[in-house]
Amino acid sequence: DAGVIQSPRHEVTEMGQEVTLRCKPISGHNSLFWYRQTMMRGLELLIYFNNNVPIDDSGMPEDRFSAKMPNASFSTLKIQPSEPRDSAVYFCASSFGAARGDTQYFGPGTRLTVL
Amino acid sequence: GNSVTQMEGPVTLSEEAFLTINCTYTATGYPSLFWYVQYPGEGLQLLLKATKADDKGSNKGFEATYRKETTSFHLEKGSVQVSDSAVYFCALSEDNYGQNFVFGPGTRLSVLP
Repeated sequence: DAGVIQSPRHEVTEMGQEVTLRCKPISGHNSLFWYRQTMMRGLELLIYFNNNVPIDDSGMPEDRFSAKMPNASFSTLKIQPSEPRDSAVYFCASSFGAARGDTQYFGPGTRLTVL
Repeated sequence: GNSVTQMEGPVTLSEEAFLTINCTYTATGYPSLFWYVQYPGEGLQLLLKATKADDKGSNKGFEATYRKETTSFHLEKGSVQVSDSAVYFCALSEDNYGQNFVFGPGTRLSVLP
């Protein structure tokens, strides 16, 4: 299996622009997670889906952030408008099930820089 | 709420030294415990896990034992290599449906030749 695929790997944009990050989970996995990693705050869970349905979005920082999962093989995280404080590495992860012992498999991440 | 505490880094060791990275947790229920590793420029990878008390997870020479009485899951390796240089994250998952999956702040390990 190719693992979790994220695109783009790097994104540089200007403040106010819309940014869309993409994720393809591992085939057969039913849960998908979006994380943000910064030096100051570490790894933060933004939102997760189970069977394409958002279960918990309490980690989404504000209304500028939105996430969708239109089908089992694709998810997007959108920031509109972007701000410099959104600069971070964004990770997507997927897991086979939703049990507490299930392993999350991470993608390589998207490094976002907002100027 | 649930939380994970790890020893402050960075940790710098010489090759073949013994490694311990401490991890303690707070949880309201009975969590599963994980160690993830992040190599430079990459995403996190599962290193090992344990799902019940006294279980020992092991992989690539690393091991950790789930100690419910001390709420700990310390990571150990008998002889580190330069290739072990990475950031190590302790994490817990308490509930089904991925809820309360909490990561520690990470501990950066540098192994010198």
